[in-house]
Amino acid sequence: GDSVTQTEGLVTLTEGLPVMLNCTYQSTYSPFLFWYVQHLNEAPKLLLKSFTDNKRPEHQGFHATLHKSSSSFHLQKSSAQLSDSALYYCASMSNYNVLYFGSGTKLTVEP
Amino acid sequence: AQTIHQWPVAEIKAVGSPLSLGCTIKGKSSPNLYWYWQATGGTLQQLFYSITVGQVESVVQLNLSASRPKDDQFILSTEKLLLSHSGFYLCAWSLGGANTGQLYFGEGSKLTVL
Repeated sequence: GDSVTQTEGLVTLTEGLPVMLNCTYQSTYSPFLFWYVQHLNEAPKLLLKSFTDNKRPEHQGFHATLHKSSSSFHLQKSSAQLSDSALYYCASMSNYNVLYFGSGTKLTVEP
Repeated sequence: AQTIHQWPVAEIKAVGSPLSLGCTIKGKSSPNLYWYWQATGGTLQQLFYSITVGQVESVVQLNLSASRPKDDQFILSTEKLLLSHSGFYLCAWSLGGANTGQLYFGEGSKLTVL
């Protein structure tokens, strides 16, 4: 199956600074990539999904670009907000109905 | 609007005892259904998925089983719990086709095995 690597377990930022969370993947096929966000004591929710036509998905100020050459789908935001503090998961799907999640990155945004 | 309800919210069980967790989806006909397991502080691991009533596919073997007795219901169970079964169990649904992967999760069931 696919595998997803998120190298940063913990990221701490000051409010207003840019955010970049790393995600690389391994897959035999060309998978769809996703970012899910999980706030404290809540269920995970979809944040972004890659497009097949190389468009850059954006949501709530976050964006991510799928780079097939480097097998990456890094999550970015130009200016972090306190409310962005959460657990972020990158996920890959090349086989319909099976989604592989990375280990997650806990983002803490401080004032 | 679609709603997803999981029960129970939390369970404390003894090693070797049976377990049954449930999930009901309302407002969506024939959804794809999933069970995920999340160890404390860990990642989300897919356990099962079901595309239609009566059919369930296993993704990983963890001495658990799943069933879909009705279109809107997904059950996770085992006859004998292990300590390693502790964690958070999440049910999710999605539309099929190109929307597969866009999961909508329930609030989860916390399981503690002692």
